[in-house]
Amino acid sequence: DAGVIQSPRHEVTEMGQEVTLRCKPISGHNSLFWYRQTMMRGLELLIYFNNNVPIDDSGMPEDRFSAKMPNASFSTLKIQPSEPRDSAVYFCASSLEAGDNSPLHFGNGTRLTVT
Amino acid sequence: GENVEQHPSTLSVQEGDSAVIKCTYSDSASNYFPWYKQELGKRPQLIIDIRSNVGEKKDQRIAVTLNKTAKHFSLHITETQPEDSAVYFCAASLGYSTLTFGKGTMLLVSP
Repeated sequence: DAGVIQSPRHEVTEMGQEVTLRCKPISGHNSLFWYRQTMMRGLELLIYFNNNVPIDDSGMPEDRFSAKMPNASFSTLKIQPSEPRDSAVYFCASSLEAGDNSPLHFGNGTRLTVT
Repeated sequence: GENVEQHPSTLSVQEGDSAVIKCTYSDSASNYFPWYKQELGKRPQLIIDIRSNVGEKKDQRIAVTLNKTAKHFSLHITETQPEDSAVYFCAASLGYSTLTFGKGTMLLVSP
């Protein structure tokens, strides 16, 4: 199994531009999570999906952030417009089922820099 | 919601020494406590986990203990090696919800 696959690995963009991060979860995993990691705030859960349905998006910072999961093998996190304070590493993770204590498997992350 | 506190934020040890990282949680209903290791520039990876019906779990040089009464759990690494240097995260889950992570402990093992 290739694990959770994220793209791109690095993204550098200018303030105001749209950014789209992509994730392919492990096949057979029913839950997908988007996390943001910064030095100041650590690992923050932004949103998670169960069976492609968004369950909890209370961690999404503001309306500039949106996430979709059109099918079981693909999810996107979009930031529009991006701001310098969005600079962080964004991790996607998947598990068999949210809520049954299945281990989280993280992707390699996308390092976003907004100038 | 759940709140997880982790200490210390940094820990330096000599190779061969033991390292202990401690976490406390706020919700007594939490029943799952994993530990993740994140090497520099890499993704967090699960190294060990414990459920609330168990007091201690070991896997080679690492062990985790859980005190439900005091609502704290700890990671113990014995005979530390330079490759143990990383950031370690504890987390807690209520079972029906997602994980709440601690802020992390940077462990540095000097040769």
